[in-house]
Amino acid sequence: LAKTTQPISMDSYEGQEVNITCSHNNIATNDYITWYQQFPSQGPRFIIQGYKTKVTNEVASLFIPADRKSSTLSLPRVSLSDTAVYYCLVKNTGFQKLVFGTGTRLLVSP
Amino acid sequence: EAGVTQFPSHSVIEKGQTVTLRCDPISGHDNLYWYRRVMGKEIKFLLHFVKESKQDESGMPNNRFLAERTGGTYSTLKVQPAELEDSGVYFCASSQGDSTIYFGEGSWLTVV
Repeated sequence: LAKTTQPISMDSYEGQEVNITCSHNNIATNDYITWYQQFPSQGPRFIIQGYKTKVTNEVASLFIPADRKSSTLSLPRVSLSDTAVYYCLVKNTGFQKLVFGTGTRLLVSP
Repeated sequence: EAGVTQFPSHSVIEKGQTVTLRCDPISGHDNLYWYRRVMGKEIKFLLHFVKESKQDESGMPNNRFLAERTGGTYSTLKVQPAELEDSGVYFCASSQGDSTIYFGEGSWLTVV
């Protein structure tokens, strides 16, 4: 399974757009990029998943360049409630195991 | 639709005692996973069931941990005897086929 690297922490203010970039240099052909959000004392919550180009849902957008060696999670107009840890994960279609890293701790301030 | 539910949400036991954690996956999900995070560490995979069969148990730390999924529905994770280093949060997750993996809120275990 490909290892991912992402910033340990990020700070932002309410109303700003936040972009969290993740590196996954060893991503394989059958791998998808998946992002989870986790609040304290809760389980990880699925945000978005993509294979290539751009994926958008009601919560976030995911940008994946052609070489797929990195991806960027974009959170539009963050609010205080978006303060959480965000995990970038590589999910293989054949293997169901998710490998969690340290995640990115996002702090949104007023 | 109910999500992944775990019981108990919190448990405090003494070293040497036994604890059994239960997970009810989302209805219809054949895949069931256990993960855990011990203090100061990252979330780690423990094992994966497909229906009642263990597909991958490579993450189970030692033979004090026993996971079962009789009938392919709910699953239990038993720790016997519990040690101090077993303290942490145990997450259960489920999925159908190759689709999104959904996590429960976790069972917080403290061994004293």
